[in-house]
Amino acid sequence: QVQLKETGPDLVQLTQTLSITCTVSRFSLTAFNVHWVRQPPGKGLEWMGAMWTGGGTDYNSAFKSRLTINRDTSKSQVFLQMNSLQTDDTAKYFCARSRGSYEGFDYWGQGVLVTVSS
Amino acid sequence: DIVMTQTPSSQAVSAGEKVTLSCKSSQSLLSSANKHNYLAWYQQKPGQSPKLLISWASTRESGVPDRFVGSGSGTDFTLTISSVQAEDLAVYYCEQYYDTPYTFGAGTKLELK
Repeated sequence: QVQLKETGPDLVQLTQTLSITCTVSRFSLTAFNVHWVRQPPGKGLEWMGAMWTGGGTDYNSAFKSRLTINRDTSKSQVFLQMNSLQTDDTAKYFCARSRGSYEGFDYWGQGVLVTVSS
Repeated sequence: DIVMTQTPSSQAVSAGEKVTLSCKSSQSLLSSANKHNYLAWYQQKPGQSPKLLISWASTRESGVPDRFVGSGSGTDFTLTISSVQAEDLAVYYCEQYYDTPYTFGAGTKLELK
């Protein structure tokens, strides 16, 4: 069945760069969009950005220029990279799929909890 | 950015009770082109990823029990659970996908009375 799986570090040092990989299966990155959503412990959901089917990206301006999303369609992987991490970037990071450019997220990964440590 | 406001933040319910959750957006989510409301509802249980329950404000996803009903249009939306079951205790989020950045409400936590 459709799956998304995030892999990344549990711990990142303050001001360093976070890199997370979302590996998808049973669907093509050229047919479905993949988004990144994060959730600080005990708090709500925040959309970070998207990799569209055509290879373009869209970012939440809240992350200014810290965030980059890329993909490797041959490996069915989407990558999140965010630099200059602060303690309030501590969160569970999810990748999720949408069926269209403007649709809800029908499949989610299990998420990876990243702690930013000083 | 479109601001999503959910009320109440938490609600204590008994099994079998009917519950109504509210979600309001700071601007209309109704497309004049296709007459669809760009709103989704998610259920998140502790330690789990969110689960899409309803899209387009009122379209239930496959496998979602029919006790979950989404309604509303424009800026005011409602998720109604007609007869709450124990497995429905969770946090419910609304989300707009009308425009980026997509935004979520702060959530409504359903707790046992």
